[in-house]
Amino acid sequence: NAGVIQTPRHKVTGKGQEATLWCEPISGHSAVFWYRQTIVQGLEFLTYFRNQAPIDDSGMPKERFSAQMPNQSHSTLKIQSTQPQDSAVYLCASKGQGKVFFGKGTRLTVV
Amino acid sequence: GDSVTQTEGPVTVSESESLIINCTYSATSIAYPNLFWYVRYPGEGLQLLLKVITAGQKGSSRGFEATYNKETTSFHLQKASVQESDSAVYYCALGATNTGKLTFGDGTVLTVKP
Repeated sequence: NAGVIQTPRHKVTGKGQEATLWCEPISGHSAVFWYRQTIVQGLEFLTYFRNQAPIDDSGMPKERFSAQMPNQSHSTLKIQSTQPQDSAVYLCASKGQGKVFFGKGTRLTVV
Repeated sequence: GDSVTQTEGPVTVSESESLIINCTYSATSIAYPNLFWYVRYPGEGLQLLLKVITAGQKGSSRGFEATYNKETTSFHLQKASVQESDSAVYYCALGATNTGKLTFGDGTVLTVKP
């Protein structure tokens, strides 16, 4: 069991470019979560899927951010027209058997 | 909204000393929140340390303990004798049973000196 896999681990984008972050949940887990961590805001919930369906996106910024889960084996978080304030560590987690497991995160730096 | 407040770090203790990291919570959207402590060791991902789902119960793992106190809305993390390998960032969190969505505290950086 490799755990929750996030790629890339580090990503640097220029301001205005698009960034796509990938998450492979643990096989068999039915729920996938995305969180964002910054020094100022701490760990914030963004969105989550259950059985691939979007359930709660209350933490997602209304513009430029979108998340998909096209199949059981991966989810993506896409940020369009990235801005410096989007710089953060983005964490993906999956839930199974009552426990939530986190990936190591993707550190996004917008320059 | 829901919120979690925990000891502001960094916290530095010497090996074999006792430790307490305070955590208090406010759960306005969840009637019966579950409470968690997560830990991130250097170079690793966030992982569950312990979880308690019922008020009045105590959770324990790796020598750490935390008791879910509904009256004081607290879930303090304690260890009687820390080890250098306990150096990490500790996060208190609350969540709903049916979703798994978590609200985290800001994290407490713990350094244990040999």
